[in-house]
Amino acid sequence: GQQVMQIPQYQHVQEGEDFTTYCNSSTTLSNIQWYKQRPGGHPVFLIQLVKSGEVKKQKRLTFQFGEAKKNSSLHITATQTTDVGTYFCAGLEGGSEKLVFGKGTKLTVNP
Amino acid sequence: NAGVTQTPKFQVLKTGQSMTLQCAQDMNHEYMSWYRQDPGMGLRLIHYSVGAGITDQGEVPNGYNVSRSTTEDFPLRLLSAAPSQTSVYFCASSYGHSYNEQFFGPGTRLTVL
Repeated sequence: GQQVMQIPQYQHVQEGEDFTTYCNSSTTLSNIQWYKQRPGGHPVFLIQLVKSGEVKKQKRLTFQFGEAKKNSSLHITATQTTDVGTYFCAGLEGGSEKLVFGKGTKLTVNP
Repeated sequence: NAGVTQTPKFQVLKTGQSMTLQCAQDMNHEYMSWYRQDPGMGLRLIHYSVGAGITDQGEVPNGYNVSRSTTEDFPLRLLSAAPSQTSVYFCASSYGHSYNEQFFGPGTRLTVL
């Protein structure tokens, strides 16, 4: 079945450093979504990517979808303590309704 | 709008007991789903529904039943609870299909002794 792998599992940075998490799928995706979960909270939608090679930005966050639509990345520039949480990618195969999540990358930021 | 609501927030069960986790949404979303979250395992899809009367299995459906009699409600039933079902359960909904933004409920923390 479809598998979505996410690395690294944990990342600890100093405030102001950059952060990147990577997502890789075993199959070609029609859609990839990114979510953020604060400690003790529930996942909150960040963005959706659907086109090959797509790049989207939200302030300090940059999201990319690979040309082959099998990988994606989230890059945060100059991390802040408010960026703390676990970042998940979630992929969807074409024609499927099963949104499969990666295991997430837990980001901690040292002020 | 209340969004996606889940009850109860916390539950402790004994092995073999049954219970129903409730999920409701007031956004008229067609798509609803249940995930379980375990440490280091991310979110795993249990069951999903693309509309009233239609349900299907996700990645880890064993030990769980669902039904979707209305657009608003999507309860998850544990038939005979096992310690392996100790987890945090999230319900989610979206407009139309799963390729749209998922709105998650606050979660139910379940412990099975």
